[in-house]
Amino acid sequence: GAVVSQHPSRVICKSGTSVKIECRSLDFQATTMFWYRQFPKQSLMLMATSNEGSKATYEQGVEKDKFLINHASLTLSTLTVTSAHPEDSSFYICSARDGDYGYTFGSGTRLTVV
Amino acid sequence: GQNIDQPTEMTATEGAIVQINCTYQTSGFNGLFWYQQHAGEAPTFLSYNVLDGLEEKGRFSSFLSRSKGYSYLLLKELQMKDSASYLCAVTDSNYQLIWGAGTKLIIKP
Repeated sequence: GAVVSQHPSRVICKSGTSVKIECRSLDFQATTMFWYRQFPKQSLMLMATSNEGSKATYEQGVEKDKFLINHASLTLSTLTVTSAHPEDSSFYICSARDGDYGYTFGSGTRLTVV
Repeated sequence: GQNIDQPTEMTATEGAIVQINCTYQTSGFNGLFWYQQHAGEAPTFLSYNVLDGLEEKGRFSSFLSRSKGYSYLLLKELQMKDSASYLCAVTDSNYQLIWGAGTKLIIKP
């Protein structure tokens, strides 16, 4: 089946630094990648939709300059949290449509900003 | 607006059957998904319904009624490992996934 590899699984960073999260589709081409954030005991919140070769579409309330998304190839999308602050601590998950109707999720990244 | 409703939390007994309901109001409909999510992990796919009726897959079954905007996930022979959150999600006319808040299922011995 379709697999999306997400790295790192956990990261702790200092306030003010930047963190890059990578998602790779391993056995299919992901034209579209979705980036979610999930706070404890809450559902997934869509942050942005990235399309290969074009600018990402951000949801209302999500800062484009803070959450930089790059989808340079059909198999790789990255999310960079710039100038991270403790309130950015969350579980970040990527997802890609795997061709038919399915959505395959990465394993998630637990970000802790100290 | 677009809305998906499911109970916040349910409790069931090991070995029993539980039904988790989901109702939706979306702009268009292109399918309904059920995902399972254990704490601290990403969601995993359980089922997909696009036509009315029941889809059975082992201990899990999912039902859809498009006219009623209603679905349920049925879990049989509950096991302790089934303790998780169950997320209902609908793809709208633009194939965008609209997520419910999830139902936390607690299994007791």
